[in-house]
Amino acid sequence: NAGVTQTPKFQVLKTGQSMTLQCAQDMNHNSMYWYRQDPGMGLRLIYYSASEGTTDKGEVPNGYNVSRLNKREFSLRLESAAPSQTSVYFCASSVAAPKDQPQHFGDGTRLSIL
Amino acid sequence: GESVGLHLPTLSVQEGDNSIINCAYSNSASDYFIWYKQESGKGPQFIIDIRSNMDKRQGQRVTVLLNKTVKHLSLQIAATQPGDSAVYFCAENEASNYQLIWGAGTKLIIKP
Repeated sequence: NAGVTQTPKFQVLKTGQSMTLQCAQDMNHNSMYWYRQDPGMGLRLIYYSASEGTTDKGEVPNGYNVSRLNKREFSLRLESAAPSQTSVYFCASSVAAPKDQPQHFGDGTRLSIL
Repeated sequence: GESVGLHLPTLSVQEGDNSIINCAYSNSASDYFIWYKQESGKGPQFIIDIRSNMDKRQGQRVTVLLNKTVKHLSLQIAATQPGDSAVYFCAENEASNYQLIWGAGTKLIIKP
């Protein structure tokens, strides 16, 4: 079972470059999420999509944009990468809202901005 | 493997002993709580959850206890095994929103 698939697994960018992180889930989940994880901290929510066609800001949305391409796919875009965006990025999905529903995670994209 | 945290609280437990990992949550309105396990280089993996109308919930080798009076959550792992080595996160959710609030994590080390 694939679950949540993230691409790429690793990426190095120069300051000012742009890139898109891809995420796809095959569990027919309605809700999808993007988190970042920095050393010594728990996960912080960047953006989420409660259902196909909707997106909302999370705790740390500045510098990012998202697209819910269809029910399966949710992408995260960095328009002009900054060193402060060096982090591990996780995509997650759930049947519905986090209310009483565990989220399922991909294995992350490790992003370094030089 | 890659470390997920540089200054995490660490719990060292002898193989075969029971482990207790504690978490203080922040929002008295939170009504859903989850424990996740994160192995090096992997995404968080769901372990067990509990709703605020419960004090205790048991799974396979794991038990979660919730004390709403002091806003405290704990995860008990019975007969700890080498495969239990990981960082453990608690997370809380308030029913009115989509956001999980995550704790900083505890690193569990199993001594042979």
